Amino acid sequence: EPEVTQTPSHQVTQMGQEVILRCVPISNHLYFYWYRQILGQKVEFLVSFYNNEISEKSEIFDDQFSVERPDGSNFTLKIRSTKLEDSAMYFCASRIDRDQPQHFGDGTRLSIL
Amino acid sequence: QKEVEQNSGPLSVPEGAIASLNCTYSDRGSQSFFWYRQYSGKSPELIMSIYSNGDKEDGRFTAQLNKASQYVSLLIRDSQPSDSATYLCAVRSSGGYQKVTFGTGTKLQVIP
Repeated sequence: EPEVTQTPSHQVTQMGQEVILRCVPISNHLYFYWYRQILGQKVEFLVSFYNNEISEKSEIFDDQFSVERPDGSNFTLKIRSTKLEDSAMYFCASRIDRDQPQHFGDGTRLSIL
Repeated sequence: QKEVEQNSGPLSVPEGAIASLNCTYSDRGSQSFFWYRQYSGKSPELIMSIYSNGDKEDGRFTAQLNKASQYVSLLIRDSQPSDSATYLCAVRSSGGYQKVTFGTGTKLQVIP
């Protein structure tokens, strides 16, 4: 069964550095998402992406964050000038159309030191 | 603020029993509802989706939706120790590009 794949599985970064989290959505999916889950807390929506542009973003997704689909297969989340509170699991998700559920990747654990 | 509410638990049931998980949501216009299972340190895994009032059954799982009461539930029959996990209720919002809002999850413990 096709899967959403995320790399790396664990990223350790010094505070203030930039990180790029990578995702390969399921190949025929059209809608892409990033979520984050701080340890012990709920899964929080960050951003949705459709037709090569951001379609919706949460209040968490400020100027520190950006997303890109550089080559038609990868979907990346860039976090600039990381802060300690950015430490979390980051999940990428995709779905084929508006009426189908989202499928999640295994996540990237981001640890900011 | 569109909210999805769940009892955090833990909900403890003996092996073989029925586990009943509940969820309420605030956005009356929501159209799609999902139950995900999440093992510790892992990603959410879709179990059930339900879109219309009533019951939907898939194996040992039954999802129930009551839009008038803004209530979704998940029943797990013949609970197994491997069902022990956190169950996330998720609601797709009306309008926009339909982001999914998650509840905090209910931790289920199935006791052998």
